[in-house]
Amino acid sequence: GAGVSQSPSNKVTEKGKDVELRCDPISGHTALYWYRQSLGQGLEFLIYFQGNSAPDKSGLPSDRFSAERTGGSVSTLTIQRTQQEDSAVYLCASSQGLPEQFFGPGTRLTVL
Amino acid sequence: KQEVTQIPAALSVPEGENLVLNCSFTDSAIYNLQWFRQDPGKGLTSLLLIQSSQREQTSGRLNASLDKSSGRSTLYIAASQPGDSATYLCAVRQGGYNNDMRFGAGTRLTVKP
Repeated sequence: GAGVSQSPSNKVTEKGKDVELRCDPISGHTALYWYRQSLGQGLEFLIYFQGNSAPDKSGLPSDRFSAERTGGSVSTLTIQRTQQEDSAVYLCASSQGLPEQFFGPGTRLTVL
Repeated sequence: KQEVTQIPAALSVPEGENLVLNCSFTDSAIYNLQWFRQDPGKGLTSLLLIQSSQREQTSGRLNASLDKSSGRSTLYIAASQPGDSATYLCAVRQGGYNNDMRFGAGTRLTVKP
């Protein structure tokens, strides 16, 4: 069966540009998470979607970051006016209840 | 705020050696602790999950222990192989909430043939 997929795998952009990162969770998984992994750092929670409930956006670092999940499936993380400190690997995970989350391969974002 | 620390940051061992990776956390009131493996360019693969009421979990050559009171967990890898080379991440779930997971920065393991 297909796992969590993310696209693109790599994204290089110029400072100030907007980027969109996509996550396709495992079919049927109601929970979807976005994390950021900066060099030498642990995973940082960004946002969490659970079913039709309002998302938990408590981890988003600034209002330049937003995410949506359409139809309870695919999710898009958007970063507006990218900054060099946004460079990181962005990981998506999905789950169907606790405790295990299944992670995608990540998108490596480089802001020049 | 829960802080998760992993030591060492990097480790290089010859093939066949037994090794221990360490994870410490500041708040002992955890729901569970999980060890993941991350290969370059890939996502995280769950290795072992220890519930707060458990002391250890084993899977093949891997053994993870949990000492909640001291805020520590260890991942023991027996008879290491080059294929074990990866970054190992420790994560603690603070409560029964899906979004309340804190990760360490990881230990990058290299097993030399």
